[in-house]
Amino acid sequence: GAGVSQSPRYKVAKRGQDVALRCDPISGHVSLFWYQQALGQGPEFLTYFQNEAQLDKSGLPSDRFFAERPEGSVSTLKIQRTQQEDSAVYLCASSSAATVGEQFFGPGTRLTVL
Amino acid sequence: KQEVTQIPAALSVPEGENLVLNCSFTDSAIYNLQWFRQDPGKGLTSLLLIQSSQREQTSGRLNASLDKSSGRSTLYIAASQPGDSATYLCAVPPGNNNDMRFGAGTRLTVKP
Repeated sequence: GAGVSQSPRYKVAKRGQDVALRCDPISGHVSLFWYQQALGQGPEFLTYFQNEAQLDKSGLPSDRFFAERPEGSVSTLKIQRTQQEDSAVYLCASSSAATVGEQFFGPGTRLTVL
Repeated sequence: KQEVTQIPAALSVPEGENLVLNCSFTDSAIYNLQWFRQDPGKGLTSLLLIQSSQREQTSGRLNASLDKSSGRSTLYIAASQPGDSATYLCAVPPGNNNDMRFGAGTRLTVKP
C-alpha cells in the first residue's frame, strides 16, 4: 500500500480481556517497529522485526505483550489480560532499511482499557 | 542510555513568525536524527531526516540542523502558518540499534 496502515483505529477493552492490534507495513519494507505512546509523551519502543525475525523485544513491558510477524509482512501485537495501564496509542512503523534508516509511521491504534 | 529532550514543551506564536524548536540528546554517537510532526489523534509524519554526516536538511519552509558534538538539533520553521500547529517530535536511534528514542515533543500553536 501507499503507507503504513493499522487496525483497528480505536479499541475499548474491559480489564482482563485479550486484544490484538494489526499493522500492515509499506510493501517491501524489511523492518517493522512497534511503539507505545502515552498521552502527552513521545513514543516508547516496544519491539523490532527484521523480516519475520523478532530481533529486539527489550521494550515490551511485560510477558502479557506478544508480537509476531510470521511471513515478514503483516504484524500483530497481542496484549493478554489487559490492564488499565495498557491504555495508550500503539504505533507501528516500517523502514526499507535493514540497518538504521528513516521510519514511516501508521496512524496508530488507541487502546482504552476500562 | 540515550535521553532526548525537547524545549520548549509548548510554544504559541502569531502567524508569520519564524521560530526554532530545540532538541538535545545525551549520546552523540548517533546514526541519524529524524524530525516528525504529529497532529492530534494521528500518527507521526516524517518531516526531515539528517544523517550523522550532514549538518542540515531543508524541505520547503523547514530547515533542520544537527550538531553531533554538542548533542543538539534545531528545527527552524519560516513564516509560520496556522496549519503548522501540531506537536513536533525529534528522535534518534541509539547506537547501531533500530529503535528510535523520542523526545516528549513541542506543542506548537500558530495563531491567525
